[in-house]
Amino acid sequence: KNEVEQSPQNLTAQEGEFITINCSYSVGISALHWLQQHPGGGIVSLFMLSSGKKKHGRLIATINIQEKHSSLHITASHPRDSAVYICAAHMYNNNDMRFGAGTRLTVKP
Amino acid sequence: NAGVMQNPRHLVRRRGQEARLRCSPMKGHSHVYWYRQLPEEGLKFMVYLQKENIIDESGMPKERFSAEFPKEGPSILRIQQVVRGDSAAYFCASSPFGTRGTDTQYFGPGTRLTVL
Repeated sequence: KNEVEQSPQNLTAQEGEFITINCSYSVGISALHWLQQHPGGGIVSLFMLSSGKKKHGRLIATINIQEKHSSLHITASHPRDSAVYICAAHMYNNNDMRFGAGTRLTVKP
Repeated sequence: NAGVMQNPRHLVRRRGQEARLRCSPMKGHSHVYWYRQLPEEGLKFMVYLQKENIIDESGMPKERFSAEFPKEGPSILRIQQVVRGDSAAYFCASSPFGTRGTDTQYFGPGTRLTVL
């Protein structure tokens, strides 16, 4: 079993829909990161969370430390949101980062 | 403020050659991380460096791979005697403080290494 599990693996949505991507982890972490990887391969760091909730534009990320679970939400999805979203858990007490396999999101116009 | 820069963006090497991948962190960032993304696989941590120091190389293969971050100049990931299995995208990230992960990392565009 992977230490960082994401679901779903693939997600297709219609423009305007509300999107949720889930991430569960089984290790002690100091922070959890959400990353976006575009079809060209470039990676953008969206959020870094250690507790609670963060919002940036149409993106919202939440984390529940007790349940070891984080979610990334996209409101009013748009085709330009199409990308792979990756959850990454920064291991507690060292510098290792464990990555989920990614969720491939396709938003259709 | 320029972002993290990596070069080359694409690198083709024949088996047995050496590959040198460069990463220039964002201005003011003294912490650099290298990650590898094998085809159809997720990202994996390789090494974490501060200026002139390797802090954590637990993700580096034991042989042929080395990394440095000199006082002046970019961080270098060096792969000696490349094999086909080294073909991957190599991403570098930087952060200003590097306090055990509680610091946003900014990623470079990656170097795509192809070994023929």
